[in-house]
Amino acid sequence: QVQLRQWGAGLLKPSETLSLTCAVYGGSFSGYYWTWIRQPPGKGLEWIGEINHHGSTNYNPSLKSRVTISVDTTKNQFSLKLSSVTAADTAIYFCVRGWEAATAQDVWGKGTTVTVSS
Amino acid sequence: ETVLTQSPATLSLSPGERATLSCRASQSVSSHLAWYQQKAGQAPRLLIYDASNRASGTPARFSGSGSGTDFTLTISNLEPEDLAVYYCQQRSNCPWTFGQGTKVEIK
Repeated sequence: QVQLRQWGAGLLKPSETLSLTCAVYGGSFSGYYWTWIRQPPGKGLEWIGEINHHGSTNYNPSLKSRVTISVDTTKNQFSLKLSSVTAADTAIYFCVRGWEAATAQDVWGKGTTVTVSS
Repeated sequence: ETVLTQSPATLSLSPGERATLSCRASQSVSSHLAWYQQKAGQAPRLLIYDASNRASGTPARFSGSGSGTDFTLTISNLEPEDLAVYYCQQRSNCPWTFGQGTKVEIK
């Protein structure tokens, strides 16, 4: 069974760079897109961006200037960097597997709580 | 950006009743729509993909319908474990967007 395990710093100061990594266990890396989604406290879900196994990326325009998603297929890992964070970036960040051939994101990491505070 | 509007915001029903959740898109998303269930303190879980297909492990009491701009998630014979927030998501027009969620409460 495919599992996503994610890690990264949970407390940042304003202007710092958020960095999270997600490892894929038990499944193929190809044929899927690998996504980051966040959820501010008590709020809904926001798509941040995605990458496929070829390294092709797609970002939310609202975050595009600050986001970089990368992939390391040798380690079955993908990563998120979000620069110049502010309090508005405080959220639970989820790494997610999506299907290339359907509208479906079927495997989710447990989430990492990231707090931005001075 | 495609806005997904979910209604109602909250639905309070008794066990055994039918829940009807709506998701309306500001422009056509064809059938590129999924439904997710999020229980308190957990990551979302895929229920329905491509508007009407149950994901692996989704109970048969959950069904999805619709295409274009109007979609419905129906939970027939509501069970106490269905207490959750339900989100729709489109993957037709970038950026992919989510609805604001419908909270299902069990009386």
